[in-house]
Amino acid sequence: AQTVTQSQPEMSVQEAETVTLSCTYDTSENNYYLFWYKQPPSRQMILVIRQEAYKQQNATENRFSVNFQKAAKSFSLKISDSQLGDTAMYFCAFYAEGTYKYIFGTGTRLKVLA
Amino acid sequence: SQTIHQWPATLVQPVGSPLSLECTVEGTSNPNLYWYRQAAGRGLQLLFYSVGIGQISSEVPQNLSASRPQDRQFILSSKKLLLSDSGFYLCAWSSPSYEQYFGPGTRLTVT
Repeated sequence: AQTVTQSQPEMSVQEAETVTLSCTYDTSENNYYLFWYKQPPSRQMILVIRQEAYKQQNATENRFSVNFQKAAKSFSLKISDSQLGDTAMYFCAFYAEGTYKYIFGTGTRLKVLA
Repeated sequence: SQTIHQWPATLVQPVGSPLSLECTVEGTSNPNLYWYRQAAGRGLQLLFYSVGIGQISSEVPQNLSASRPQDRQFILSSKKLLLSDSGFYLCAWSSPSYEQYFGPGTRLTVT
């Protein structure tokens, strides 16, 4: 069975600084996808970034980028130039093709300090 | 573009009362649909998913049920609510590229 682990329950970062959120996963599947979702205080889940396991190149979306280490089964999220609006819960998620099921980590609460 | 709606946004129900939460998706056809529950400050627990009309897969044995009467409509129900059913319920659909998009959620309080 697949598992997703986020070992940092809470983190804080100063505005304009860079922060990295950790995520590790365990799977025996070959075809899978990894995601980071953001859940601000409104509780609306927002897709931040997506990574296909077969791609070696790390995904990037504006200030958000990932460090995907397939052999280590690690998928960390880097937020550059942190903004107050980045304050949220961040969830790492895993999807294996053909399973229809998404596995979510327990989340990291990020607070950006002014 | 695709949008996903959930209602109601907030619900307070007494123990033993029935429940019906509705989710509809616009702008796509035959989406995979999902119901999750999120306890306060916790992660997402998958309750049900559906890959087509009338096709429901249950992940957690409980007093909740789901139905998909139309292609883009997903309903979460209960005949008799328990205190433990309180939580934040999220509906989601997945795109052909496996990205999941979520509705705004329903906050359910069982009293």
